[in-house]
Amino acid sequence: NAGVTQTPKFRILKIGQSMTLQCTQDMNHNYMYWYRQDPGMGLKLIYYSVGAGITDKGEVPNGYNVSRSTTEDFPLRLELAAPSQTSVYFCASSAQGAYNEQFFGPGTRLTVL
Amino acid sequence: RKEVEQDPGPFNVPEGATVAFNCTYSNSASQSFFWYRQDCRKEPKLLMSVYSSGNEDGRFTAQLNRASQYISLLIRDSKLSDSATYLCVVNREGAQKLVFGQGTRLTINP
Repeated sequence: NAGVTQTPKFRILKIGQSMTLQCTQDMNHNYMYWYRQDPGMGLKLIYYSVGAGITDKGEVPNGYNVSRSTTEDFPLRLELAAPSQTSVYFCASSAQGAYNEQFFGPGTRLTVL
Repeated sequence: RKEVEQDPGPFNVPEGATVAFNCTYSNSASQSFFWYRQDCRKEPKLLMSVYSSGNEDGRFTAQLNRASQYISLLIRDSKLSDSATYLCVVNREGAQKLVFGQGTRLTINP
């Protein structure tokens, strides 16, 4: 039981490049989330999903896209990377959304130069 | 006003001391409250949920004050391993979303 896994762990992008951050969970959770965390700050919600085929915007969705074709996978796509997207990205999953524990992946550290 | 506000610290306390953090939230309709712990360069992990009646887990005690809209975390007999950032977390819009405070950084000194 691996929990929530994320790849890659680190990535450096040039301005204007695109990439996909992968997230997979093996706990059969319906709820999945993408957050970003800037230095010294709390987590901000980018996108979330309440089940396969259903996604919705969080607080800071601009510049990102998501899809949820299966219960297990919730990839985050960055199009036209900008320096403002330099951050640590965490994926999380939960059985009952905001009512119980969210399990986090180890994070992806992204730098855009 | 931020939805969830915490004193960022840092708090530096000697080993064995008792330390307390407060967190205020703005949405009176919030129903789920948590404390998460985040070690340096790691992912957040649930420390404890916060219940209306208050709850205790070993050296850790969490309290909820709905009237004043704040949550507290008390750590007794602090250990070096308690050094971390503590995130106050509250639900927004029912069952779907959580809001994270910016965290309170705690360092326990030998």
